[in-house]
Amino acid sequence: LAKTTQPISMDSYEGQEVNITCSHNNIATNDYITWYQQFPSQGPRFIIQGYKTKVTNEVASLFIPADRKSSTLSLPRVSLSDTAVYYCLVGDRTGANNLFFGTGTRLTVIP
Amino acid sequence: KAGVTQTPRYLIKTRGQQVTLSCSPISGHRSVSWYQQTPGQGLQFLFEYFSETQRNKGNFPGRFSGRQFSNSRSEMNVSTLELGDSALYLCASSVLAGGPYEQYFGPGTRLTVT
Repeated sequence: LAKTTQPISMDSYEGQEVNITCSHNNIATNDYITWYQQFPSQGPRFIIQGYKTKVTNEVASLFIPADRKSSTLSLPRVSLSDTAVYYCLVGDRTGANNLFFGTGTRLTVIP
Repeated sequence: KAGVTQTPRYLIKTRGQQVTLSCSPISGHRSVSWYQQTPGQGLQFLFEYFSETQRNKGNFPGRFSGRQFSNSRSEMNVSTLELGDSALYLCASSVLAGGPYEQYFGPGTRLTVT
């Protein structure tokens, strides 16, 4: 049921902006895009969700182009504590796609 | 508001035994989902319950089962434990079932099968 493709891993230096892209070529009209963050030995934590254009909250921004076939999670000025696995999920309000997390992107922030 | 709680936090069982894990969702949340996480397979969906009914099920053998009570608390059971069942079992709750509703995860139960 996985509908998304993400890079397996990324490295970034502290203080830089990090952009993690998720491909979802078969996204449906009613699908939303949701990102979670997971630290080792903890459950995932909701970061941000969007449907189109741009969404911003206190921790991240989510950019969604007009065709919605991809999305980019942007983390401004990352710190060592942002080292985690980031999951992109795509699904609507009726199906089970929002329950399948895939492999995620392991972000390592380097001092 | 209290978060999702899971008990026990750690468990050691022997191959062939059975185990029951418990999850109490956030007050007012009616949907509970269970996940298994291992280093090799990542985070895998087990099943989802809403209003005491199993709504979705992942690709796990019948040894894995669950239920939800009228107060939304949920239990999952694994019978005839195998070494490969050693994992972190996570429970998550959300206001409604399925959909892009934010899931709140508990701290997990670390199960070790010897």
